[in-house]
Amino acid sequence: GAVVSQHPSWVICKSGTSVKIECRSLDFQATTMFWYRQFPKQSLMLMATSNEGSKATYEQGVEKDKFLINHASLTLSTLTVTSAHPEDSSFYICSANPGTDYEQYFGPGTRLTVT
Amino acid sequence: GQNIDQPTEMTATEGAIVQINCTYQTSGFNGLFWYQQHAGEAPTFLSYNVLDGLEEKGRFSSFLSRSKGYSYLLLKELQMKDSASYLCAVVGGDYKLSFGAGTTVTVRA
Repeated sequence: GAVVSQHPSWVICKSGTSVKIECRSLDFQATTMFWYRQFPKQSLMLMATSNEGSKATYEQGVEKDKFLINHASLTLSTLTVTSAHPEDSSFYICSANPGTDYEQYFGPGTRLTVT
Repeated sequence: GQNIDQPTEMTATEGAIVQINCTYQTSGFNGLFWYQQHAGEAPTFLSYNVLDGLEEKGRFSSFLSRSKGYSYLLLKELQMKDSASYLCAVVGGDYKLSFGAGTTVTVRA
């Protein structure tokens, strides 16, 4: 149980284009989903927290107009990187919390490369 | 703010024991997680401590001292597959996870 999927697992896009990443909780309903970014040999940095049906809460320094988050249902959250630039190249990981405790279940991650 | 410190790298021999320390200073505390992460993959859950003391789970054990802001992860009978990054993460008063930079453990034959 407690499986979280992400799609795509990797994506290459050209500078200036937009990319959408999906995060789904497959066997539970997630009251809260989180989006992290991880650069090589660094730890996970929280980008934003999203609750179903409400606006996401972004961490300081994260541009909300660049990283659009939509938590459309209790099992789906999407992250859209708009007008991507090479410096946005990173490993993006989502996690989901069912609301029963503090544990977050992580998706397998999406490797984004912007050329 | 949150400050979580753990060593950058550790190396040990197969079959040995390794202890990874984590110290933290956070605004509020609702527990501490340890995760294992292999390169290019998502973190996987190892342990959760919210009360002081030692939690043992097979070859892995985790300890917490809230008064000292200190935790450790103990890996016993090391296997080659244990080579990975180990992340200490604290649930703060805002219920968000704050991660340490991770400790890369290399197991040698």
